[in-house]
Amino acid sequence: DSGVTQTPKHLITATGQRVTLRCSPRSGDLSVYWYQQSLDQGLQFLIHYYNGEERAKGNILERFSAQQFPDLHSELNLSSLELGDSALYFCASSVGAGVSYEQYFGPGTRLTVT
Amino acid sequence: GQSLEQPSEVTAVEGAIVQINCTYQTSGFYGLSWYQQHDGGAPTFLSYNGLDGLEETGRFSSFLSRSDSYGYLLLQELQMKDSASYFCAPGGATNKLIFGTGTLLAVQP
Repeated sequence: DSGVTQTPKHLITATGQRVTLRCSPRSGDLSVYWYQQSLDQGLQFLIHYYNGEERAKGNILERFSAQQFPDLHSELNLSSLELGDSALYFCASSVGAGVSYEQYFGPGTRLTVT
Repeated sequence: GQSLEQPSEVTAVEGAIVQINCTYQTSGFYGLSWYQQHDGGAPTFLSYNGLDGLEETGRFSSFLSRSDSYGYLLLQELQMKDSASYFCAPGGATNKLIFGTGTLLAVQP
């Protein structure tokens, strides 16, 4: 158990819908990262927040947005969902502001878009 | 630009030694991490090389050569539980770790 929690564990929704994935980092960690993992694309970095501020962006679609709240939990919002958005979404956390080589991953949210 | 290459699959037998190679290209490179992910599970951190040379952690060792933009993960005394995907993840000036599709290791009895 990494100490990172993610909810929900599974999510099934229809195309065109909007969903919110939630992540709570390990106690004491100020950085939160979001990743998308699909079979053909591997583990793709989406976005990094540190203490409420965006630090780095990866190949995150405009339909996706994220934020980190004052209590340090983070939410990833996915809108206008398409079939291709079906994937495992992981969040990870670390202590510092810079990208950490040692990140602690949550159990993931499996999103299925039908 | 950025690039990352690992073999997609490796097969080995229990008790053997296996090496998973990784070549990368990333600007402002500062180090190479390795992660393990069991099927359906979360990636977990294995090791990090910030300097050239070998880092050893139990049955696992990781090597880095900055001049060759090359690293490898060495797994010794393979066990069935080592069957998993292994990702090398270079870190650089882009302020993110690049994971890619990883190497699927199958350990056979």
